[in-house]
This record gives sequence, structure tokens and C-alpha cells, in this order.
Amino acid sequence: NAGVMQNPRHLVRRRGQEARLRCSPMKGHSHVYWYRQLPEEGLKFMVYLQKENIIDESGMPKERFSAEFPKEGPSILRIQQVVRGDSAAYFCASSPDPGQMQFGPGTRLTVT
Amino acid sequence: EDQVTQSPEALRLQEGESSSLNCSYTVSGLRGLFWYRQDPGKGPEFLFTLYSAGEEKEKERLKATLTKKESFLHITAPKPEDSATYLCAVQAAQGGSEKLVFGKGTKLTVNP
Repeated sequence: NAGVMQNPRHLVRRRGQEARLRCSPMKGHSHVYWYRQLPEEGLKFMVYLQKENIIDESGMPKERFSAEFPKEGPSILRIQQVVRGDSAAYFCASSPDPGQMQFGPGTRLTVT
Repeated sequence: EDQVTQSPEALRLQEGESSSLNCSYTVSGLRGLFWYRQDPGKGPEFLFTLYSAGEEKEKERLKATLTKKESFLHITAPKPEDSATYLCAVQAAQGGSEKLVFGKGTKLTVNP
């Protein structure tokens, strides 16, 4: 049973470009969470989604960030017009029901 | 606001030297307290979930305990492969959110 998969593992974008991060949850998991880890900081919650629904986006910046979890395909975290402060590791986690989360390996975003 | 504070920030041990990591928390009703291990460049790996004061869980050389205000991760006779950052997180029972609030972690180094 494959774990949570994220791609790409490393992403370099220039300021002003768009970044798309993908997350495929574990088989049978319908709950997806996105977290961001800044250097020297703890993991910070961004958004919680179920299929075709955003359940809690209280941790998402109001502008430039969006997330979706379509009926078919992976969950996508989209960052428009990236700035240097968006450089971080972005982790996706999934669970079969609310509670215990299994994390993916992360996508390391570098904005130059 | 829910908060998690971990101490110490970093800990160096000799192989076989037992010690404990602390996680203090304030939360508006605790649904669960989680311990994760994170290796450099990787995603957090789930270790334990504790739900109520007095609960204890063990896995190999690790033992997690929980009180109403804090949790301890006891490491008995550690080995170099136990070197990692250990993360503590809480999940609140109120508000309907499933998000985890993480501490900044304790970086453990075990020298041979």
C-alpha cells in the first residue's frame, strides 16, 4: 500500500510565477490536509479538504493561495504570483477519517 | 488560541543515555495529542496518539505519556538511529476543525 505521494519533490519558481503542488492520498483516504513548514518554524496548518469540498481553510493566506481536491485525481495546492516568502516545504497528509494523519514526503518550493 | 511548546529545542545524548522530551500544551478541549518523528528532508512519521490524561503508549525504545497540561516522550537506551526531530501536536475537540497544531520540535542527536 503506497503512502501519500507528493510531486514534484523540489520546485523552483521565479517571483511572479505560479506553483502547483500535487498530492495523491493513500488508497481509501478521503481526507486531505496541507501544511507548510518554514525554516526554523513548526508545521502550520493551511487547509483541510474532502472530495470536492473545502472543509477548513482557516490557515490559508487570503490571497494567491487556493486548494482543491477533485472527484478524480490528486489534490492541488496552487500558489499564484509567488514571492520569496513562499519558499518553504509543503506537506500533504491524508487520513481515512478525521484524526490520525499520514504525511507525504513534501514538496520543497524555492522562489528565486 | 491553541498552543504547543516543546523543550528542549535540541538535545544531545550518548548512546544508551535515557532522557525525556517535553510537550506543554494549551487547547480548548483536547481531542488528541500526537507525536511524530521527522528525519531531515522527509515528512513527519506518525508515532503515537494519546487521548486522555494518564494514558501511556510504547513502541520499542519510546514511551509517550500524557497529563492534563503536558506530554512526555521518554527515550530509553537510545541508539544513533533514534536521531531525528520529534514533533508534538494537538487536535482540539471544539470548533469542528480537524487541524493539528504543532510545536517547533525537539532535535535529538544520539552519538555512538
